[in-house]
Amino acid sequence: NAGVTQTPKFQVLKTGQSMTLQCAQDMNHNSMYWYRQDPGMGLRLIYYSASEGTTDKGEVPNGYNVSRLNKREFSLRLESAAPSQTSVYFCASEGRMNTEAFFGQGTRLTVV
Amino acid sequence: GQQVMQIPQYQHVQEGEDFTTYCNSSTTLSNIQWYKQRPGGHPVFLIQLVKSGEVKKQKRLTFQFGEAKKNSSLHITATQTTDVGTYFCAGFNFGNEKLTFGTGTRLTIIP
Repeated sequence: NAGVTQTPKFQVLKTGQSMTLQCAQDMNHNSMYWYRQDPGMGLRLIYYSASEGTTDKGEVPNGYNVSRLNKREFSLRLESAAPSQTSVYFCASEGRMNTEAFFGQGTRLTVV
Repeated sequence: GQQVMQIPQYQHVQEGEDFTTYCNSSTTLSNIQWYKQRPGGHPVFLIQLVKSGEVKKQKRLTFQFGEAKKNSSLHITATQTTDVGTYFCAGFNFGNEKLTFGTGTRLTIIP
């Protein structure tokens, strides 16, 4: 049972480049989340999706877009990367009855 | 929007001392969860509290949910080096179906 799988694990981008972070879960969870965590800081919610086909902005959505095309996958896109987006990105999922949230291993993104 | 704050932000303790982190929500929560993130790792679920005034224990860890369901605490008795990490609370609100994480408390242990 893989749980939550994030790809890639590491990425270096140049300013202005675009990329998509992929996240997939195999636990049939309804809710999925994208967080960013800056060094020594807490988790800040970028976007979340309470169910397939729905997405909502979190605390820091600017510069990001998301897509929840099916129940398993929730992707995060940076259209034009900026150095301020250098961070560790975590995807998480949880079940409808609000059981525990499971996190992916994280994507360490550096924008130069 | 809903905000979840934790204090302190950092805590350095001698091994064997106790440690407590406090979590406060701006809104009433449906339930609260606690997570631990080891350095370089990802958050891992520890426990969930649902009932007003609930207290749960896991070995040296004691978790409490406030009567008003707006605050919570995690207490570790006699810390060990394996307790190092950042502890997050996370509040769930059935109204917006969103899990909001607290700001975290980073615990370091002085051997």
